[in-house]
Parts: sequence; C-alpha cells; structure tokens
Amino acid sequence: KAGVTQTPRYLIKTRGQQVTLSCSPISGHRSVSWYQQTPGQGLQFLFEYFSETQRNKGNFPGRFSGRQFSNSRSEMNVSTLELGDSALYLCASSFLLADNTDTQYFGPGTRLTVL
Amino acid sequence: QQQVKQSPQSLIVQKGGISIINCAYENTAFDYFPWYQQFPGKGPALLIAIRPDVSEKKEGRFTISFNKSAKQFSLHIMDSQPGDSATYFCAASGGLQGGSEKLVFGKGTKLTVNP
Repeated sequence: KAGVTQTPRYLIKTRGQQVTLSCSPISGHRSVSWYQQTPGQGLQFLFEYFSETQRNKGNFPGRFSGRQFSNSRSEMNVSTLELGDSALYLCASSFLLADNTDTQYFGPGTRLTVL
Repeated sequence: QQQVKQSPQSLIVQKGGISIINCAYENTAFDYFPWYQQFPGKGPALLIAIRPDVSEKKEGRFTISFNKSAKQFSLHIMDSQPGDSATYFCAASGGLQGGSEKLVFGKGTKLTVNP
C-alpha cells in the first residue's frame, strides 16, 4: 500500500499570502489529522477530519482551516501568512479498527517557509 | 500547558548500549501511548504503542514500560545501533469514541548512537 502523500513538499511564501497544502491518505483510511512541527513548539495538533467532518480542532487561530473530500483526501489552508507560520506541516491518516483503536501514519510533510 | 513531558532532550549512547527515554503525562483520560521515530526530512513513523491495561510491551529491541499510578511511561532501546540515531517522540491520546483522537506529543529526544 502506498503511504500518506503530501504535496507540495516545499513551499516558500511571503507574509500576507495564503497557502493550500494537500494530503492523500493511505487507501481505505477515512481519518486525516494535521499537525504543525516547529523547533520551538514541537508537534502540535491542528485538526482532524473524518468522513468530511471536522471532529477535533487544536488551539490555532482561525487563519488555519481545512477540509476533507469524499475520497478522504484533505487540504489545509493558511490565510494571511505570518513569519511564525514557517514550519513542517504533517498529515496523518488512520483506519478505525473493530475495537475502536487506530494508528496514525504520517506523511513526509510540507516544509513551509514564510519570508 | 504541556500535557506530555519528555526527557532527556538529547541522548548519546555507545553502540550496543541501552537508550532510555522517559515521558510523564498529566491527563488521566489518556489511554493510548505511542512512540514515534523521526529521521531528518521524514515524517514520524510509529515505533511501538501501549495501552494502560499492560505494564510492558516489547517488540524486538524496543520496549515500553508503563506505570499508570505514576503517570509515566518510557522507551527502552536495547543493543542500540547507529541506525537508531533519530528523534524520538512520545505521545498520548485520550480515548476513542467512534473515531481517532488527537495525539499530544512530547518535545522529542534526539538520540545519537556512536559506533
């Protein structure tokens, strides 16, 4: 099975711009989560989608948004970019097992640099 | 508010030695504790995970020890190899009610295994 794929892998933007990142989960996985990784704050949860619905949201401003499509692919959008948004954005997908457990599998991430 | 505290921040061991990384959590609702391994330029990869109904889980050279009363868990890497050099993250999530829950990560431990 192919792993989680994220596009683009690298992105350079300037302050004030907006950006859209894409994530394709592992085939059959219906849950997609997004995380921000920075040297200072580590890995922080952004939001999680399941069957096109946002079920969990982290403590990030409204500039960060996302959505999930019927094929489970997900996008996240950051508007009005700030220098502090420079980070590695990771997508993780999971498949709900019969006993309600799951494992999150991460993609390689999108490295966003805001100048 | 750091719900999962990880130590040490960095660790250097000799080849063949034992690497030990510790984590402590605060939220008693957490019931899933995975460890992830991350190499530079890659996303985190699940290494091993434990639930609080067992005190220890072993997979190959990797062992998780779990102390529910102390709200602590640790990763032991036996016979450490240079290829184990990576950043290790502990994480926790708070139960599943019909779907995936967000992972709360520790800050990470950079492990270096010298040949």
